[in-house]
Amino acid sequence: DQQVKQNSPSLSVQEGRISILNCDYTNSMFDYFLWYKKYPAEGPTFLISISSIKDKNEDGRFTVFLNKSAKHLSLHIVPSQPGDSAVYFCAGHPMDSNYQLIWGAGTKLIIKP
Amino acid sequence: DSGVTQTPKHLITATGQRVTLRCSPRSGDLSVYWYQQSLDQGLQFLIQYYNGEERAKGNILERFSAQQFPDLHSELNLSSLELGDSALYFCASSARQGRELFFGEGSRLTVL
Repeated sequence: DQQVKQNSPSLSVQEGRISILNCDYTNSMFDYFLWYKKYPAEGPTFLISISSIKDKNEDGRFTVFLNKSAKHLSLHIVPSQPGDSAVYFCAGHPMDSNYQLIWGAGTKLIIKP
Repeated sequence: DSGVTQTPKHLITATGQRVTLRCSPRSGDLSVYWYQQSLDQGLQFLIQYYNGEERAKGNILERFSAQQFPDLHSELNLSSLELGDSALYFCASSARQGRELFFGEGSRLTVL
């Protein structure tokens, strides 16, 4: 059974510091992972992705790290800004599926001024 | 603006009623996905269509149905509504199946 888990429902970080959001998955049969950001009453928006053959992908303030041995990925936001306050979803694409992503439950990030 | 349009944005109805939610995907996207989000919970995948054909089904109730039309817009029909059906319903589209999804702003359904 393939699952993607975000075990922290919320995270509070001081503005300007680093935010680290974590995601775990249950087996190795994912070929890529994505992070989405969601503001209240809006649809999720794509942030960044990483292929399972990579261990790092960077885009501006956002970096995703993939640790395949630990079946763990993390999203780093540096420096954190007030506009980063949102819910962040991690999603994995199973290798044997063309069709759907498997989503984590989300982590609410709060950036404190 | 993701390019995915959902209507209506808000809908209030009574238990037992039937509603239809509509989605227009981004221009050129053949895949349409429907998701449900209840009370700050995660996204629950309901169903996916690709170029008019159903391709994958998730946790979609039998009271719910969907279709994708030749012009690629999609409709999600919810019938015999219950209080627990109150949720945000998101539509998403993608150019490649399962790849990056572009979400609409959602339709908020309130069942009283």
